Amino acid sequence: NAGVMQNPRHLVRRRGQEARLRCSPMKGHSHVYWYRQLPEEGLKFMVYLQKENIIDESGMPKERFSAEFPKEGPSILRIQQVVRGDSAAYFCASSPPRDRGSTDTQYFGPGTRLTVL
Amino acid sequence: AQKITQTQPGMFVQEKEAVTLDCTYDTSDPSYGLFWYKQPSSGEMIFLIYQGSYDQQNATEGRYSLNFQKARKSANLVISASQLGDSAMYFCAMREGISTAGNKLTFGGGTRVLVKP
Repeated sequence: NAGVMQNPRHLVRRRGQEARLRCSPMKGHSHVYWYRQLPEEGLKFMVYLQKENIIDESGMPKERFSAEFPKEGPSILRIQQVVRGDSAAYFCASSPPRDRGSTDTQYFGPGTRLTVL
Repeated sequence: AQKITQTQPGMFVQEKEAVTLDCTYDTSDPSYGLFWYKQPSSGEMIFLIYQGSYDQQNATEGRYSLNFQKARKSANLVISASQLGDSAMYFCAMREGISTAGNKLTFGGGTRVLVKP
């Protein structure tokens, strides 16, 4: 059973370009989360999605950032007009559907390291 | 106020000895979950152990155990018989609430552990 897949693992963009980060959840998982980690810091929640729905985007910057989880295909985190401050590691996590006794444990992908030149 | 506090930025431990990593949390929600993750130098986030707020017993998972003191709002991770491969950053995280909107994790700042041979 493959884990959470993220690609690319490393992404370099120049200021003003767009960055697209992809995440495929674990098989059977219907919840996807995106987190950002700045150097030497903990992860900060960005957005929580289920198929075709954004459930909680309270951690998303108001501009330039968007996320989707379509009916088919991976979840996408999109950053438009990147700036140097966007340089960070972006982690995707997934968890299974909630049921009785579920711990809602989130399993993380390997992350995408975004560098903005 | 910080929701998750890890007061130890870094610590050394001798191989084969036990180490305790501190984590205190702050929530008014009666239902919550506490998680520990390991982040080695390669960067991935590895789930270690989970403790639910209603669990009567401390969680254990192999060499990992969680010292859960609900009244003190602490959830310290104990790693027994440390191995060189335990050298990593360790993050404590909390999920509050049982509603679907409460699924996001809040992370502490992490503790870096270095195991000495």
